[in-house]
Amino acid sequence: AQSVTQPDIHITVSEGASLELRCNYSYGATPYLFWYVQSPGQGLQLLLKYFSGDTLVQGIKGFEAEFKRSQSSFNLRKPSVHWSDAAEYFCAVGAYNTDKLIFGTGTRLQVFP
Amino acid sequence: ETGVTQTPRHLVMGMTNKKSLKCEQHLGHNAMYWYKQSAKKPLELMFVYNFKEQTENNSVPSRFSPECPNSSHLFLHLHTLQPEDSALYLCASSGRGEGSNQPQHFGDGTRLSIL
Repeated sequence: AQSVTQPDIHITVSEGASLELRCNYSYGATPYLFWYVQSPGQGLQLLLKYFSGDTLVQGIKGFEAEFKRSQSSFNLRKPSVHWSDAAEYFCAVGAYNTDKLIFGTGTRLQVFP
Repeated sequence: ETGVTQTPRHLVMGMTNKKSLKCEQHLGHNAMYWYKQSAKKPLELMFVYNFKEQTENNSVPSRFSPECPNSSHLFLHLHTLQPEDSALYLCASSGRGEGSNQPQHFGDGTRLSIL
C-alpha cells in the first residue's frame, strides 16, 4: 500500500536561510509525487510535481525537489526562505491510473525575521 | 487561485440540521473530489467523481451524501452530523488524463463546526 511520511511536524528557520523539508514514500512502482502548500484559511496550492525524467524538478515560488529512488525520498528545498513562505507543506504520492492521492501529515514552516 | 470555488466558507450547524456544501470548478476538469482535513491528521479522501460518476467512496458514513450533477459542480449534503465531523472540507478537481498524473486543484475549503 502507498504511504507518505513527513518526519518533521514543525520547522523554524530564519528569513534568508536555506530550507529542506523531508518526504519519504512507500510505493511498489514508480510513483507520481507532489508538493503542495497551504496558507492559513486557504486550500492547497500545487508547488511542483514529479512524474518521470529529470529527478530534479523546479516549481513555483523558487522551490525545487529531488526524487531519489534509492532513498524513497522527494525532499523539497529552497535556497533562501522568505517570510511569506510560512505555511504548511504537504507531500503526496499517487499511483498510475488511479485518482487517489495519499498525503503526508504535513510540515508547518515558521519563518523568523 | 479561483479555479475552484467553495461555498460557504464557514458553516456552524447543530447535529440535527441538514445543510449542503457546494463546489464549482471553472477549469474544464472532469474529476472532482471531496476531502476532509482535521487537525493533526492526514488529508482524508472522501469521494471521487469522474464524468459525474462516483468512482470512490472511502468508507464515508452515510450522513455525508455527495451529489455531482455535472462535471463542474459537486455538492456534499450533510445531515445528523456528529461533533467529530467538525473539520475543513476541501473540494478539488483535476483533468482526466492518463493515470493520476493530472495535479489536483483545490478550493479554499468550508470550515464546518458541529455544535
